[in-house]
Amino acid sequence: KQEVTQIPAALSVPEGENLVLNCSFTDSAIYNLQWFRQDPGKGLTSLLLIQSSQREQTSGRLNASLDKSSGRSTLYIAASQPGDSATYLCAVGSGRDDKIIFGKGTRLHILP
Amino acid sequence: DADVTQTPRNRITKTGKRIMLECSQTKGHDRMYWYRQDPGLGLRLIYYSFDVKDINKGEISDGYSVSRQAQAKFSLSLESAIPNQTALYFCATSDFGLAGVNEQFFGPGTRLTVL
Repeated sequence: KQEVTQIPAALSVPEGENLVLNCSFTDSAIYNLQWFRQDPGKGLTSLLLIQSSQREQTSGRLNASLDKSSGRSTLYIAASQPGDSATYLCAVGSGRDDKIIFGKGTRLHILP
Repeated sequence: DADVTQTPRNRITKTGKRIMLECSQTKGHDRMYWYRQDPGLGLRLIYYSFDVKDINKGEISDGYSVSRQAQAKFSLSLESAIPNQTALYFCATSDFGLAGVNEQFFGPGTRLTVL
């Protein structure tokens, strides 16, 4: 059974710093991995999706990497801003017709 | 206009009442999902549907039922609501398309409180 873990559960960093959020999964036979952002009480916004054949994806100040063999993905945020404060979730799809499993998220707070 | 909409956005009800949450999408996706989110437990899958005739139970389907009325509509029912069903409920859609990507898109959520 696939399990997805995100550590730490919460993180506070000063504005302007670069930071890395971590996601690990137990079964390396994944189809894809997706990173989401969630603001308090709101829905999830898709940030980046990495297919199993890819190593990384980039969008603006965000870069997501995938290392299937070690069961890890990272979300790199460059030059953090207070508006980046939110909960970040990763979700792993294990097969074309399989369910998507979510981590519990990392709650990020950027200090002005 | 939002691609995935949910109604109602907030609902307060009493134990034992029947509740229906509705989801509509204009993305043309075949796949639709219902999740609930609880503090400390993350997102858990309730039901999912790969097309109108294909409905599957998720991790926590007990106490819930669903109906896929059309490709664009997927509703979640609580036949007899109980307080531990108080949560934030999300609908999501995805579609493999030609690229086989299966990216998920979420609605804004329904906050349900069962007293």
